[in-house]
Amino acid sequence: GNSVTQMEGPVTLSEEAFLTINCTYTATGYPSLFWYVQYPGEGLQLLLKATKADDKGSNKGFEATYRKETTSFHLEKGSVQVSDSAVYFCALYDSGNTPLVFGKGTRLSVIA
Amino acid sequence: GAVVSQHPSWVICKSGTSVKIECRSLDFQATTMFWYRQFPKQSLMLMATSNEGSKATYEQGVEKDKFLINHASLTLSTLTVTSAHPEDSSFYICSARGGQGLGGYTFGSGTRLTVV
Repeated sequence: GNSVTQMEGPVTLSEEAFLTINCTYTATGYPSLFWYVQYPGEGLQLLLKATKADDKGSNKGFEATYRKETTSFHLEKGSVQVSDSAVYFCALYDSGNTPLVFGKGTRLSVIA
Repeated sequence: GAVVSQHPSWVICKSGTSVKIECRSLDFQATTMFWYRQFPKQSLMLMATSNEGSKATYEQGVEKDKFLINHASLTLSTLTVTSAHPEDSSFYICSARGGQGLGGYTFGSGTRLTVV
């Protein structure tokens, strides 16, 4: 079946540090890939997505590239801010009306 | 963009009572909605898939008589936690497909349920 594995947190960084959150996937088909962000006490917001190999999703300074050869979709940001503190979920969508498959989430704390 | 409105955002209820959570898709039709449960500091656990006009499909281990799901229209799905107990306290989130392109899902803002 389909699955998503992302690095375990928590991740604590100083402001302006470089961020990488690793995500790899297993899928029977050709999935679309997503990163969602959850701020404390809130629901999930779509951060970025990519639908085919070598696509790069980007938003708010975050980037992730769909790497089919390594089945990865690592999230990166060059300079994090305190306001980026949240939980980040990697997810995949296969086909039809199937639900998203989520990774376990990675909690990021950015300190000033 | 697509919006899913989820209410209430938080609720406190007494053991033994029932609580209804609503999710509405505001600017698109959601033939399918998903209900998730999230324990503190954990990922989302899919509870059930709700299809408009038909019975919901529950994931293994989820009690269908306890978590009643109704999807009577293309814009509204409800989750009722019946005879709630403290162990049902959790964060419940709904999600609907639509509005964000291929595979796009829109999430409600979640409901924090506390059973006392």
